[in-house]
Amino acid sequence: EAQVTQNPRYLITVTGKKLTVTCSQNMNHEYMSWYRQDPGLGLRQIYYSMNVEVTDKGDVPEGYKVSRKEKRNFPLILESPSPNQTSLYFCASTSGSRNEQFFGPGTRLTVL
Amino acid sequence: AQTVTQSQPEMSVQEAETVTLSCTYDTSESDYYLFWYKQPPSRQMILVIRQEAYKQQNATENRFSVNFQKAAKSFSLKISDSQLGDAAMYFCAYRSLSSGSEKLVFGKGTKLTVNP
Repeated sequence: EAQVTQNPRYLITVTGKKLTVTCSQNMNHEYMSWYRQDPGLGLRQIYYSMNVEVTDKGDVPEGYKVSRKEKRNFPLILESPSPNQTSLYFCASTSGSRNEQFFGPGTRLTVL
Repeated sequence: AQTVTQSQPEMSVQEAETVTLSCTYDTSESDYYLFWYKQPPSRQMILVIRQEAYKQQNATENRFSVNFQKAAKSFSLKISDSQLGDAAMYFCAYRSLSSGSEKLVFGKGTKLTVNP
């Protein structure tokens, strides 16, 4: 089954404690992205990757890092989380024709 | 930079009736995709319908159809014969097809309530 998986699904942490949210896709897609969703703001792109070792900033990259060492994986790293990063995070991969984006189930992050 | 505007934060419709959700966007590009996504309480993002900008014909998927007005930069979603399961947040999104870009821009969403 074609899918994007994210882990963990829920995470409560404290300010400053480094964390990683993993993302994996099994569709051999080149394009992958991370979004955050906040009430009243819709989804905003954090980072994206167009292939292995090729990443670029989206609209809200501050406080986040990503890496793309393998095609299937695109982890999101928060080196020093702060309360304003409390949000719902989605990973997504894009079909080769770029006419469909497959979303993971979301990760609810709370930073205390 | 491209922007997407959904001017209706909330909408409601009676079951079996028709509702239209509005979306406008701003771009200087001529080739792009537009999407409507549905997000039910499960939070999963579900693709409802997509439109390629170079196609003049409006996209249709069962009870869902769009009114794409390229010159006016408008992309509304019509839901016919509304069902209780249609209740969700709906997001309009724009994808640039420029090379070197993997940008998908979302509107802020419209919460749709379906009344029995």
